[in-house]
Amino acid sequence: EVQLVEAGGGLVQPGGSLRLSCAASGFTFSAYWMTWVRQAPGQGLEWVANIRQDGSAHYNVDSVGGRFTISRDNAKNSVFLQMNNLRVEDTAVYYCVRCPSEYSSYKWWGQGTLVTVSS
Amino acid sequence: DIQMTQSPSTLSASVGDRVTITCRASQSIGNSLVWYQQKPGKAPHLFIYRASTLESGVPSRFRGSGSGAEFTLTISSLQPDDFATYYCQQHYDYPITFGQGTRLETK
Repeated sequence: EVQLVEAGGGLVQPGGSLRLSCAASGFTFSAYWMTWVRQAPGQGLEWVANIRQDGSAHYNVDSVGGRFTISRDNAKNSVFLQMNNLRVEDTAVYYCVRCPSEYSSYKWWGQGTLVTVSS
Repeated sequence: DIQMTQSPSTLSASVGDRVTITCRASQSIGNSLVWYQQKPGKAPHLFIYRASTLESGVPSRFRGSGSGAEFTLTISSLQPDDFATYYCQQHYDYPITFGQGTRLETK
């Protein structure tokens, strides 16, 4: 069974940093693109970033460019989101998502981890 | 960026009603359109991909249609479990974008 378990969320002050992780199991992790999607409280879904199977390419939404970095460790079946210089508007539930290809629908989602940026 | 606009934002309906949600893209996206259902406190659930293909396990009362820049999600006869928020998403080009959501509520 596919499982995606996010961790690392919490309360952080504006300008601070957090590193989210997503532990994958139940499938061949190295065969899939991985994505982070976020959802601010009471708001809609926003695609954040994705990363190729071997980590050689990654893309992100402009609003997090230069602040967030997606990475992966295929030996540990994990994908990460390093978030620096956090802003209040980054407050959201962050979901880890498995993608069958670079451009695809998202069937498998984690349960999400809440990041709260507040002073 | 490709903007995805859903209408209406909120839809009030009753069990048994036929309802339609529209999603418009700011440019043609072929059939690179996905529909998700989300319930409070839960991750989104894939319902329809490639604009019109039902995900396994999704009831046949759901139907997706459209191509290019205009798409619809139709529920032929609303059931109690269908009251939720629905999102469209394009995966034609970066950045991947979602519609703002349509909240389907009980009338």
